[in-house]
Amino acid sequence: AQSVTQPDIHITVSEGASLELRCNYSYGATPYLFWYVQSPGQGLQLLLKYFSGDTLVQGIKGFEAEFKRSQSSFNLRKPSVHWSDAAEYFCAVGGMDTGNQFYFGTGTSLTVIP
Amino acid sequence: EAEVAQSPRYKITEKSQAVAFWCDPISGHATLYWYRQILGQGPELLVQFQDESVVDDSQLPKDRFSAERLKGVDSTLKIQPAELGDSAMYLCASSSQDREQYFGPGTRLTVT
Repeated sequence: AQSVTQPDIHITVSEGASLELRCNYSYGATPYLFWYVQSPGQGLQLLLKYFSGDTLVQGIKGFEAEFKRSQSSFNLRKPSVHWSDAAEYFCAVGGMDTGNQFYFGTGTSLTVIP
Repeated sequence: EAEVAQSPRYKITEKSQAVAFWCDPISGHATLYWYRQILGQGPELLVQFQDESVVDDSQLPKDRFSAERLKGVDSTLKIQPAELGDSAMYLCASSSQDREQYFGPGTRLTVT
């Protein structure tokens, strides 16, 4: 069965510190992987995506993620967090085997302290 | 930049009443999705359309929810009658060949 696990419900970091949000997935075939960000009361904005090729993908707002097939992981990273990064982050998995349906994790809430 | 449009942004309704949400996908996107997002959780797929046809509605509570996309463009999601447990954010997304889903701003439903 397809699923996504985001082990960290809530993370607090200081502004300027580095960030890593964890994502583990279960998917039967080659996955498409995504990270979305959601501000309170808003829709989801795509940060980055992985379909194939280079396992380190760059996204918007200085985010990057690395696909590790052996670990079934797609962790999101940012070297220096800004106060405006405070939001909810969702990892999602999908693919052609599931008709491009996405399966989302439960999200990680990020708080940034000055 | 093209966006997915949704209306209304906020809706408050009493239980047992009917409520409807509208979504206009990005022009040319054949696939349209409706998700429900309960506070503190990730979005869960309710229904997926390919053009005007339903691809998957296995998670749609069909006794009270209905969805249509009559001309394969915009879509309406209806709840009748609404229950307290339906309070959530309802998100619409669309996609084309690039497999990425583009989300609208959502409709926040509160059932009292």
